[in-house]
Amino acid sequence: DTGVSQDPRHKITKRGQNVTFRCDPISEHNRLYWYRQTLGQGPEFLTYFQNEAQLEKSRLLSDRFSAERPKGSFSTLEIQRTEQGDSAMYLCASSALGFRGASSYEQYFGPGTRLTVT
Amino acid sequence: QQPVQSPQAVILREGEDAVINCSSSKALYSVHWYRQKHGEAPVFLMILLKGGEQKGHEKISASFNEKKQQSSLYLTASQLSYSGTYFCGTLLGDTGRRALTFGSGTRLQVQP
Repeated sequence: DTGVSQDPRHKITKRGQNVTFRCDPISEHNRLYWYRQTLGQGPEFLTYFQNEAQLEKSRLLSDRFSAERPKGSFSTLEIQRTEQGDSAMYLCASSALGFRGASSYEQYFGPGTRLTVT
Repeated sequence: QQPVQSPQAVILREGEDAVINCSSSKALYSVHWYRQKHGEAPVFLMILLKGGEQKGHEKISASFNEKKQQSSLYLTASQLSYSGTYFCGTLLGDTGRRALTFGSGTRLQVQP
């Protein structure tokens, strides 16, 4: 497997612009998660998918945020009308029961997309 | 619902041992431990499940006390490569939630 990949790795945008991030999970994984991490803090959950179904969204996910996972493979996270408070590292993780003999949903993270809103 | 980690930071000399704790006020289903180096993604270390299943990683082991809803990560004979921030992520036992809630981290620095 090639691990979880994310694109772009860095994004600088002006306040009010829209941005879209992509995540490609480990190919055998049916669950995909989005987290946000700010400096000095642990990752905070945003949303997660099982296959193509979005099963849970955090209250952190305002209506400016939308995520999709068409066909249950890659996922996109879009932020509309970005604000300076959206500046953070956006992490994607994936998991699958039984992967590498795992007995539970071990989550593997991608390298993240660092968003800076100016 | 965020788990509490302690200590917030620790400095070690190579070869010394360390213990990092993670506690929750809610009943836990599992505890997941990660290490993150500056500017990099969190790397999975191990998972502790309710019922006692445990996995290890190098010279790192962990325990899960279900009565206290607390997990401890043990780093033995620390190496320079152990430096980083350690996070615990928890899944609660009474919900169907599958996304982790992370603590605020423990910064570990191993010096030569």
